[in-house]
Amino acid sequence: DTEVTQTPKHLVMGMTNKKSLKCEQHMGHRAMYWYKQKAKKPPELMFVYSYEKLSINESVPSRFSPECPNSSLLNLHLHALQPEDSALYLCASSQDLSGVSSPLHFGNGTRLTVT
Amino acid sequence: SQELEQSPQSLIVQEGKNLTINCTSSKTLYGLYWYKQKYGEGLIFLMMLQKGGEEKSHEKITAKLDEKKQQSSLHITASQPSHAGIYLCGADIGAGGTSYGKLTFGQGTILTVHP
Repeated sequence: DTEVTQTPKHLVMGMTNKKSLKCEQHMGHRAMYWYKQKAKKPPELMFVYSYEKLSINESVPSRFSPECPNSSLLNLHLHALQPEDSALYLCASSQDLSGVSSPLHFGNGTRLTVT
Repeated sequence: SQELEQSPQSLIVQEGKNLTINCTSSKTLYGLYWYKQKYGEGLIFLMMLQKGGEEKSHEKITAKLDEKKQQSSLHITASQPSHAGIYLCGADIGAGGTSYGKLTFGQGTILTVHP
């Protein structure tokens, strides 16, 4: 069982819909991440939050909007997505951003399909 | 080209056989993580290697880090069907290991273990 919980597990949405992905961790971690993973590819970093502040945005299109309401929660708001945005979206957390000594713990992901 | 190259890309072994997966970096390694992923699921943290020459073991899996060669290896002894999955190496390969959360992954090695 993972200690990072993501909901929903699966999501199908149209290109005009607005939806949100949710992520929760109760390990006291202060850094949280969103990764995107296409089929047969490694995860690619999208956003990093540290102490509830956006630390890294990897030039992600504005149709993806992250939010960190508190240290345990991370949301990803989706609007006007394209079919090529269909992917597995992974949330992760780590104790902090101290680099190699702070491993990332991943959730099981949300499988997103954009129709 | 990939900053982290894994080899082989896929591996099929008979249960009970030993195997090795390699991860080579094009940049200086300041530490390295190994993860396992089942298809469509999240990444499970296996091990973290921080220092050159470091070797860690967990159950039948051993990982080593050779900083001079900018390489890490993951060795599984007496493989079992439960070892099947995708193995990913990840590293913070920013300057001085201070990319603050930007973990780069190799493309993964797909392991199949036949009973």
